[in-house]
Order: sequence, then structure tokens, then C-alpha cells
Amino acid sequence: KQEVTQIPAALSVPEGENLVLNCSFTDSAIYNLQWFRQDPGKGLTSLLLIQSSQREQTSGRLNASLDKSSGRSTLYIAASQPGDSATYLCAVRDGDYKLSFGAGTTVTVRA
Amino acid sequence: DGGITQSPKYLFRKEGQNVTLSCEQNLNHDAMYWYRQDPGQGLRLIYYSQIVNDFQKGDIAEGYSVSREKKESFPLTVTSAQKNPTAFYLCASRPLKAGANTGELFFGEGSRLTVL
Repeated sequence: KQEVTQIPAALSVPEGENLVLNCSFTDSAIYNLQWFRQDPGKGLTSLLLIQSSQREQTSGRLNASLDKSSGRSTLYIAASQPGDSATYLCAVRDGDYKLSFGAGTTVTVRA
Repeated sequence: DGGITQSPKYLFRKEGQNVTLSCEQNLNHDAMYWYRQDPGQGLRLIYYSQIVNDFQKGDIAEGYSVSREKKESFPLTVTSAQKNPTAFYLCASRPLKAGANTGELFFGEGSRLTVL
């Protein structure tokens, strides 16, 4: 059974610092990995989707890398802003329907 | 604008009552999903459907039921058999056809159910 872990559970940084969020998974036979952002009381917003054949994806200040063999993905957020404060979740897809989610990392960016 | 609409946003239920959460999407996606989110835990899959008139149980289907009579709609009923129904419920969808966005999952804004 796929297990997805996100460490740390919470992170607080000053504005302007780069953020590094980690996601690890136990079964490397995945189709893709997706990063989401969730604001309190809201649904999930898709940030980046990395297919299993890709090593990284970039969108603006966000960059996500994927190392399937070691079961790891990292989300980098450059020059963090208070508006980046949210919970970030990763999910791996290892079947036609099956997505396994991590519990998330809650980020606070201090002004 | 295309998207997924969930209603109601907040719902209160007395013990012993069934309630139905609505999920409608205009993204023309084939697959639809219901997840449950509890504090400090990852999302858990309740039910999913890849085609009209067909759906499968996820990891925690007990006490829930769904229907898929139209491509756009995937309502979830939380029955009185669900022992601990207070949670945040999220509906999602994704396209199944090959393309640049194959596999990308999109979510609605969620429905918070509280049992009194």
C-alpha cells in the first residue's frame, strides 16, 4: 500500500526566504505526482503536475522535482510572500483511479 | 467559468438523518471522486466514478452512497450508518482522455458537515 509522508508538518519562515517542502512515497511505480495548495476551509488548488517520465516542472516562483527511484519530490517556492501561507499537499497516482495523499505541510510566511 | 461546484458549503445534521451533498462540474471530465478530509490526516477516498451509471467504492465507503446519472453530477449521500460523519468533504474530477492534462485532478471548494 502506498504511503505518502510530508515532513515537516508545519513550517514558519520570514518573508523573502525560499521555501523547500518535502514529499516522500514508498512505492516508486507511480504515474504522476501532483502538488496542491489548500487555504483554510477551502478546496485544493492544483499547483504542479509531474508525470513519471519528468524530472521537474516549473510555474512562476514554483519548481517541483521528482526522483522516482528514491521516492521523493520537493516543492521549491522562491522568495516567499505572506500570500504563500497555506497548507501544501502532495499526491501520487499509482493506478487509474488511485491517488494517495500526504497529510500536508502548513506554511506560515511572516511579514 | 469552468469548474466544480459543491453545495451546500456548510451543513448541520442531527444524528439518524441522511444528508446529500451536491457536486456539479462543467469541465466535461469523465472521472469524479469524493474525498473526506479530517484534521491532520491525508485525504481519504470514499467513492469514485469513471463513467455514467458506474461507480466504485474507495477506501472508506461504509455509510456512504453515490449515484452518477449524468456526466456532470456526482452527489454523495451520508447515511445514518456512517458512525463519525463530521468532516470536510471534497469533490474532484479529472479527464481520462490522453492529453496535456491527463491525470490532473481538480477540486471543488468543499462541504463541511457537522453532526449535532
